[in-house]
This record gives sequence, C-alpha cells and structure tokens, in this order.
Amino acid sequence: AQSVAQPEDQVNVAEGNPLTVKCTYSVSGNPYLFWYVQYPNRGLQFLLKYITGDNLVKGSYGFEAEFNKSQTSFHLKKPSALVSDSALYFCAVRASGDYKLSFGAGTTVTVRA
Amino acid sequence: DAGVTQSPTHLIKTRGQQVTLRCSPKSGHDTVSWYQQALGQGPQFIFQYYEEEERQRGNFPDRFSGHQFPNYSSELNVNALLLGDSALYLCASSLAILTESDEQFFGPGTRLTVL
Repeated sequence: AQSVAQPEDQVNVAEGNPLTVKCTYSVSGNPYLFWYVQYPNRGLQFLLKYITGDNLVKGSYGFEAEFNKSQTSFHLKKPSALVSDSALYFCAVRASGDYKLSFGAGTTVTVRA
Repeated sequence: DAGVTQSPTHLIKTRGQQVTLRCSPKSGHDTVSWYQQALGQGPQFIFQYYEEEERQRGNFPDRFSGHQFPNYSSELNVNALLLGDSALYLCASSLAILTESDEQFFGPGTRLTVL
C-alpha cells in the first residue's frame, strides 16, 4: 500500500518570504513523487516530479522540491513567495508498477501581501 | 493543443438516480484515469482505462463503472447515487508507455451534487 501525509493543513507566509510545504510518503520500492496545485473551482495543475536522479527537482513557477530517501520526504519549496501562489497544494506518490496516484489531503497556502 | 476536457461542469441529481460523466483526454494521450475529490480531501483513485479495458481499480463499489471509447475518450457512470457521492470528479490523461514516470494531466472536473 502507498500513502502520503501532508502534516500541515495550512501554511501562511508573507510575500517575499520562503515557502515550504511538507510531504512524507510510504511506498514499496522506488517512489515516483509529484506535486500538484489546485486553484478554486479548477482541476489540478502539475508543478514538478521526482523520478530518479538529482534529489533537488526544479519545476514550474519557481517551485522546487527536495527528495530525501532516508526521511521519506518530498518537501515543496519556493525561495520567495508571491500572493498569486495562494492555493491548495497536493503531494502524490505512485509506486513502481502501479498506475494510480495516491494523494495527500492537501495543504492550503496563503501568501499575504 | 487542447488539454483534458470534461462535461458537464456541474450536475445536480437526487438519491437513487444514475449519472454519466464524460472526459476527453489531452491530444496524443491514450490512458484515462478517474478520481473522486470530496470536499476538503485529496483526490481518490477510482479506476484507469487503457485500450478500452479497466486496467486498475481503486476501493470503490461496483456502482461506479466506466467505459473507454476507440477515440480514447471515457465515461464514468455512477448508479444508485448516495448523498456521499457528492464530490468533484476529476479525469486525468496520460500516455501508457510513460505511465509510471509521466505526470497525469487533469481536467477541470465535474461537480456532482446529490440531494
């Protein structure tokens, strides 16, 4: 079985400050890890993924994520947050040989001006 | 290049009724997955279709069924609707040969309300 935990329901930061959204996962074998963002009344937009290779993954809109195998974590980061980054963020995992994505419960990010 | 499209956008049904939701995958994609996103929760995998067959299924009852057509579009059918079926239903498409490593592209969803 595979699962994802996003320990924070909400993250609040000031514009221009660093943003971190936490994610830990549990999966058998090598994980494929993804971050998606959801704006109100919209579907999910892909931000970035970790498949293999470098532990630091760079994605869309200035986001990056760090894969840590020993801590089974895949935290999303942005060095300088924007008000427009306010949205709902989901971490997801897929096990090797599996077809489904398993999502965390989501973290609501609010960036105040 | 059209992304994933879903119809209808919103739907209101009453308990016991049946509903059909539709999805057209992103151009060039041949695999369609369906997810249910209840309010305040992350999406839950319902099933995935490839080559017109259900390839994998999540923990959903048989009331949830689907179909994939030769043009790769897909339908999700839910019978005997319950209040708990109220949710945003998301369709995602991908390319089968890259399924493991490739991201899934999501449509805007269909908001189903069961009264």
